[in-house]
Amino acid sequence: EAQVTQNPRYLITVTGKKLTVTCSQNMNHEYMSWYRQDPGLGLRQIYYSMNVEVTDKGDVPEGYKVSRKEKRNFPLILESPSPNQTSLYFCASSLSGQNEQFFGPGTRLTVL
Amino acid sequence: GENVEQHPSTLSVQEGDSAVIKCTYSDSASNYFPWYKQELGKRPQLIIDIRSNVGEKKDQRIAVTLNKTAKHFSLHITETQPEDSAVYFCAAVGSQGNLIFGKGTKLSVKP
Repeated sequence: EAQVTQNPRYLITVTGKKLTVTCSQNMNHEYMSWYRQDPGLGLRQIYYSMNVEVTDKGDVPEGYKVSRKEKRNFPLILESPSPNQTSLYFCASSLSGQNEQFFGPGTRLTVL
Repeated sequence: GENVEQHPSTLSVQEGDSAVIKCTYSDSASNYFPWYKQELGKRPQLIIDIRSNVGEKKDQRIAVTLNKTAKHFSLHITETQPEDSAVYFCAAVGSQGNLIFGKGTKLSVKP
C-alpha cells in the first residue's frame, strides 16, 4: 500500500530534550516536506527536499533540522525543543512540488 | 518568496447552497494551484488542482477557476452537503519549486 508514515504519532516531552520525528514514504517520491499546523495559521512549511542530499528552508525553519540521506526517509530533528514548538506536524511527499502531495497521519507534539 | 492569501477564514452555508473560497498569490511565475480538504482529525487530501494553461477545471460539484492576470484562483462547491464541512486549503508553487499553503477556510454546511 502506497503511504507516508510518521513516528511517533503523539509525543509529550520537556524543554531541551532532543527528539526526532521520522517520516518514510514507499512511493519513490523525490519531493518531501515538513509542515506544522497551528490554529489560525494553516500549514506552514518548515523544510523541504527536492531530492536526496538536497534540503531547503521553508517559512519557519528556526529550531528545526532535517536530513535526506535516502530517498524514502526525511526525519525532522528538534535539537532543543521549546514550548513554542508545540504543534501538529505533517510530513508529505510527491513526485515534485507540482504534483499531488501525500500527507502522513501527523504527529502531535507537546513540549512542556 | 511566494505568499498565498486565502479568504474567508470561516464560511457557513445552508445545505444545497454554493460555497466560494478565494485565494491570491504573489509570484507571477507560479503555475500550479492545488486545493486540499482536511476533515476534522485527519490529514489534508487533494481534491482538485489546476495548472496555469487552463482557466477552469471541474470535477462533479467542485470547480476551480484561475485568473493569472489578477493572480487569483477560487474554489467553487455547488449543492453543498454536510460532508463538505471541513477546512479547505489553497496552495501555489513558489519560485523554488516548493508548495506554499494559504491559512485555510473552515467551511460549515448546515443541514
